[in-house]
Amino acid sequence: KNQVEQSPQSLIILEGKNCTLQCNYTVSPFSNLRWYKQDTGRGPVSLTIMTFSENTKSNGRYTATLDADTKQSSLHITASQLSDSASYICVVGLGGGADGLTFGKGTHLIIQP
Amino acid sequence: SQTIHQWPATLVQPVGSPLSLECTVEGTSNPNLYWYRQAAGRGLQLLFYSVGIGQISSEVPQNLSASRPQDRQFILSSKKLLLSDSGFYLCAWSSILGPGREKLFFGSGTQLSVL
Repeated sequence: KNQVEQSPQSLIILEGKNCTLQCNYTVSPFSNLRWYKQDTGRGPVSLTIMTFSENTKSNGRYTATLDADTKQSSLHITASQLSDSASYICVVGLGGGADGLTFGKGTHLIIQP
Repeated sequence: SQTIHQWPATLVQPVGSPLSLECTVEGTSNPNLYWYRQAAGRGLQLLFYSVGIGQISSEVPQNLSASRPQDRQFILSSKKLLLSDSGFYLCAWSSILGPGREKLFFGSGTQLSVL
């Protein structure tokens, strides 16, 4: 069964600190891995998309890494800001299409001043 | 630029009542369109997707249906809502950036509460 597991389930850090969110998957065959940011009551917004040949992808203060051999990914947030408070969702794709995606439950991140 | 509109933002409906959620996309033609549901504590679940007018693929058997009467319009419907239909419904369209890179753009969502 294709699964995407994220950890931790929730995380609280102080503003300005760094943090790393984890994603493990069992999706096969693997095509791509995405990270989304979802503010409360809003739709998710794409942060990064990586194919199996990519090890890292950055988007501002967000850096995603991918190890396709161990089927693990991480999202590192540098110098956190209050606006980073959101749920971060890891999504794994079977193929190139968006109809073959498996979504994780997300990590709920809270940045405290 | 492309934009996606989804309404209403919140909806409270009694059990057994009908449902109609509408989604429209602007600034692109022939987009792939999707309806997702996000239940509390669970990941997004794909309900329906469409690659063209009148073409609907259903991912999960349920009492919901979808229609695409126009190129950039996607509608989610139900004849009789169940309590289990409560959740956060998201419409999305996708843009193909390259091989293995179909990027999803989500609407702002509809919070549906069935009472």
